[in-house]
Amino acid sequence: DAGVTQSPTHLIKTRGQQVTLRCSPKSGHDTVSWYQQALGQGPQFIFQYYEEEERQRGNFPDRFSGHQFPNYSSELNVNALLLGDSALYLCASSFRGVLTGELFFGEGSRLTVL
Amino acid sequence: GIQVEQSPPDLILQEGANSTLRCNFSDSVNNLQWFHQNPWGQLINLFYIPSGTKQNGRLSATTVATERYSLLYISSSQTTDSGVYFCAVDPFSSNTGKLIFGQGTTLQVKP
Repeated sequence: DAGVTQSPTHLIKTRGQQVTLRCSPKSGHDTVSWYQQALGQGPQFIFQYYEEEERQRGNFPDRFSGHQFPNYSSELNVNALLLGDSALYLCASSFRGVLTGELFFGEGSRLTVL
Repeated sequence: GIQVEQSPPDLILQEGANSTLRCNFSDSVNNLQWFHQNPWGQLINLFYIPSGTKQNGRLSATTVATERYSLLYISSSQTTDSGVYFCAVDPFSSNTGKLIFGQGTTLQVKP
């Protein structure tokens, strides 16, 4: 049973660039959420995708956008990168049929913005 | 919004010792999960425990929903238990699967 997989694991960008991160949910899951974790902090919710639509959004600017594909995989895009966007980006999957079911996280993508 | 507070923020133990980590939350919740974040950053699921008590090997957890707290017990600690432990909740008022995380407890187990 494949867990949540994310790519790439590490990447370095410069200010102003754009980045795309990818996530495949755990087998049997149809909902993907993205979280940002700054150094020394707990993860912060970015947004959630279900049925290929953004269902919920946290307190993040429009520079953060996403997409969900018919196979339930998802992308997180960040435009006009700022130094403060440097963080670990975590993807979590769950089964929407049980609204508050258990979430499972991937290993994360560590983004460094120079 | 809901507040999630974890204590202690830092904990140093000698291998073999027992410990209790606490999570207080300010509102009713539908979901509460405990995670262990390993040195590579992955959040490992420990317990899905919106109420009641569960045990898994040397770890156990208890959530008293009516009093808005949860406890994570680690017995006979090992060096591999080191890392950051997070409590995360889905508020009852939200009921959406969006988790609100505490700031974590950093545990160091010395050999």
